[in-house]
Formats: sequence, structure tokens, C-alpha cells
Amino acid sequence: AAGVIQSPRHLIKEKRETATLKCYPIPRHDTVYWYQQGPGQDPQFLISFYEKMQSDKGSIPDRFSAQQFSDYHSELNMSSLELGDSALYFCASSPVGGNGELFFGEGSRLTVL
Amino acid sequence: KNEVEQSPQNLTAQEGEFITINCSYSVGISALHWLQQHPGGGIVSLFMLSSGKKKHGRLIATINIQEKHSSLHITASHPRDSAVYICAVPAAMDSNYQLIWGAGTKLIIKP
Repeated sequence: AAGVIQSPRHLIKEKRETATLKCYPIPRHDTVYWYQQGPGQDPQFLISFYEKMQSDKGSIPDRFSAQQFSDYHSELNMSSLELGDSALYFCASSPVGGNGELFFGEGSRLTVL
Repeated sequence: KNEVEQSPQNLTAQEGEFITINCSYSVGISALHWLQQHPGGGIVSLFMLSSGKKKHGRLIATINIQEKHSSLHITASHPRDSAVYICAVPAAMDSNYQLIWGAGTKLIIKP
């Protein structure tokens, strides 16, 4: 069965550079969530989208932005990268009219040098 | 705000043993998630349950809403089950995606 696809799986950037992470939800899933998991930390909710509109916002820095496109994939754009942005970024999706179950991607590991 | 406690924090067992991981939470919830995270980070959603019991292969999850307690069981454990198992609950009743995560149980199954 299709799963949530994230790309790239690994990304290395330097400070002050920009990075873009992509998330492709499971087909017929209309809601996407982004989480950030720092080393040894719990995943923190960043932002979510429902039907291409931002539905909720968590602890997302102002340097980050995200959007959901017409095909329901989502992109997380991170600018002016800082060392502390090094983390595993997870995307999750949930289906139309779902019961709240989340389906997670494998994550994108960002390393900022 | 909900708080989640998992036990044990670490568990090492022999292949074939029956495994139980426990999770307690402090505030009423709409549903509870059991997740698996392998080295390298990928998270797999194992179960989401709001009552009773669910079974998937060798995995069984139970929840007692009155006691605010859930358990994850693994029957006939195998080395490939070695991973961190995480219990997570919504931070609020109306927010299933803003999750409070348990500290995780690191499971090692030895052949």
C-alpha cells in the first residue's frame, strides 16, 4: 500500500542557506501535518494543512513557511538556516473524513553545518 | 495539559518472548497512538485506539479509558521488532495531531 513519501531523506546545508522539504501524502488524504524532532527530543508539531489551506500552526519559526498544493503534496521551506534547525522533519497525513489516525512518513533528516 | 508515562524505558528480551509495554496518561483523551521508531528515525503508526482492543499480526494494543492506561503487547517477539515504541496522546480533546509523546520504550530482542 502507498505510504507517505518524504524527500529528500537526507539533506546537508550550511548556516544561512535555504532548504525545502517535500511531503507526498497517501492518496485521498487531504490533511498534512509537519513535525520537527530534534536530537533526543519529542517531535514538535509545526504546522498543518487541510484542503490546501493552513489549518493550524504550532511552534514553527518565522523563518519557515509551508504550503499545500493542488495535488495535496506539501512543501516546508526553511530559510536562514541555523545550527539548531538540524533535526528530523516528519510529515504525516490523514484521510478525508478520517477518525484522526495519522500516517507518518519516514522523515527527512536535515543537518546544518 | 496531558502527561504521558511509559514503562519500562528499556526492555531486553529473548526471541520468542511475550512483550508488554505500558502507557498511562493523566487527562481524558479521544484516542491514543502507539508508534514505532527504528534507528535512523522513521516513525510507523502501529495503532490508534479509543476503546477496547486492536490486533495486527503479532501486535495487540489495549486501552482502559476509565483507568487511563494502555498496553502494547508483542507475541512471539523477533529481533526485527527491536525499535523504540512510543505512546502518544492528543494534547487536547479537540486536537488529535498536537500530540504529547511518551518517553518511549527501547526494545531489544536478542536472537
